[in-house]
Amino acid sequence: AQTVTQSQPEMSVQEAETVTLSCTYDTSESDYYLFWYKQPPSRQMILVIRQEAYKQQNATENRFSVNFQKAAKSFSLKISDSQLGDAAMYFCAYRMVGNKLVFGAGTILRVKS
Amino acid sequence: GAVVSQHPSRVICKSGTSVKIECRSLDFQATTMFWYRQFPKKSLMLMATSNEGSKATYEQGVEKDKFLINHASLTLSTLTVTSAHPEDSSFYICSARVGTGIANQPQHFGDGTRLSIL
Repeated sequence: AQTVTQSQPEMSVQEAETVTLSCTYDTSESDYYLFWYKQPPSRQMILVIRQEAYKQQNATENRFSVNFQKAAKSFSLKISDSQLGDAAMYFCAYRMVGNKLVFGAGTILRVKS
Repeated sequence: GAVVSQHPSRVICKSGTSVKIECRSLDFQATTMFWYRQFPKKSLMLMATSNEGSKATYEQGVEKDKFLINHASLTLSTLTVTSAHPEDSSFYICSARVGTGIANQPQHFGDGTRLSIL
């Protein structure tokens, strides 16, 4: 069964600095999709970034980028120039066959001013 | 685009009451919707996959008679918590995926429903 592991329950970053959130997963599939979702205190789930496993190029979305290491089954999220609005719970997710999402336990990101 | 509306956002009711939560895709058709449950500061746990025009597929350990799912149209799925008890109190979130055969489309989430059973 596919599993997603986020080993950092909480992380802190100073405003304007860079932080990396870790995620590893386990799968026997060769083609799949990975996502990072953000959940602020409002509890709304917001898609941050996605990565197709067949693409070697790491996805980027403005200040957000990923380091996708397929062989190592690692999918970390880098947030550059951190802003107060980035404070949230971040979930790494793997999309299974049938489009079901398996989520990691989440990482709470705190941004200090 | 790709907006998912979930209603109500908050429900407080007495034990024994049945509660219906609606999930609508506002600007796209969703043949498949998903229902999740989330406890405070915990991850989302998939409860069931809702398929338009057919029976929902429930995850292991989820009582199908307790959590009734109906997906009668391409834009609406409902979750009914029957005879709710305090242990059913939780945050319920739905999601929907744009189209079929479009492999890289993500799930879009509703804003969630906080259910509190007294």
